[in-house]
Amino acid sequence: KAGVTQTPRYLIKTRGQQVTLSCSPISGHRSVSWYQQTPGQGLQFLFEYFSETQRNKGNFPGRFSGRQFSNSRSEMNVSTLELGDSALYLCASSLGGPGTGELFFGEGSRLTVL
Amino acid sequence: TQLLEQSPQFLSIQEGENLTVYCNSSSVFSSLQWYRQEPGEGPVLLVTVVTGGEVKKLKRLTFQFGDARKDSSLHITAAQPGDTGLYLCAGEGAFSNTGKLIFGQGTTLQVKP
Repeated sequence: KAGVTQTPRYLIKTRGQQVTLSCSPISGHRSVSWYQQTPGQGLQFLFEYFSETQRNKGNFPGRFSGRQFSNSRSEMNVSTLELGDSALYLCASSLGGPGTGELFFGEGSRLTVL
Repeated sequence: TQLLEQSPQFLSIQEGENLTVYCNSSSVFSSLQWYRQEPGEGPVLLVTVVTGGEVKKLKRLTFQFGDARKDSSLHITAAQPGDTGLYLCAGEGAFSNTGKLIFGQGTTLQVKP
């Protein structure tokens, strides 16, 4: 079956702009989680959506937001971009039952903020 | 705040050598997962350990979950160049029921032929 698809794969923005990243989970998976990966901080949890509801949220400022659609596809948005937002943004899908279970990651969207 | 500390951060060894990567925390986790990530790709799950003291083997890889469910180790026997990559441990909180994992900083392994 098709894996997790993230778009775009690469993008360059300037400070102050906003960006929207998209994630299509594996068919049948109802949970989508977003992580930020940087060399200094590693992978950090942003938020998780299950059945269109945000079920958990990490310690990121309100500039980071997300949503999930009825077909389980998810988007995350970062507004007023800062240089420190440069990172690989990873989306992971799972069945979403009790507990985290196995996460299936996409290849990520690499964001560079100039 | 739950933290996972991985060591070592970097490891460069010759083909055929053995190695162990450690993942430690002061917190209890309901489960711990090990992922491997290659450049340009997302992490891929290798194994999940759930029971304290559990040992799982995946070919040349042996994973162990500490008795108190606070630490874990990954041992690779006779490493091969194909084992090169970033190894990540990730813990699920003891009372978590959502898709949130706490990741360690990762161990970058380079196996030279």
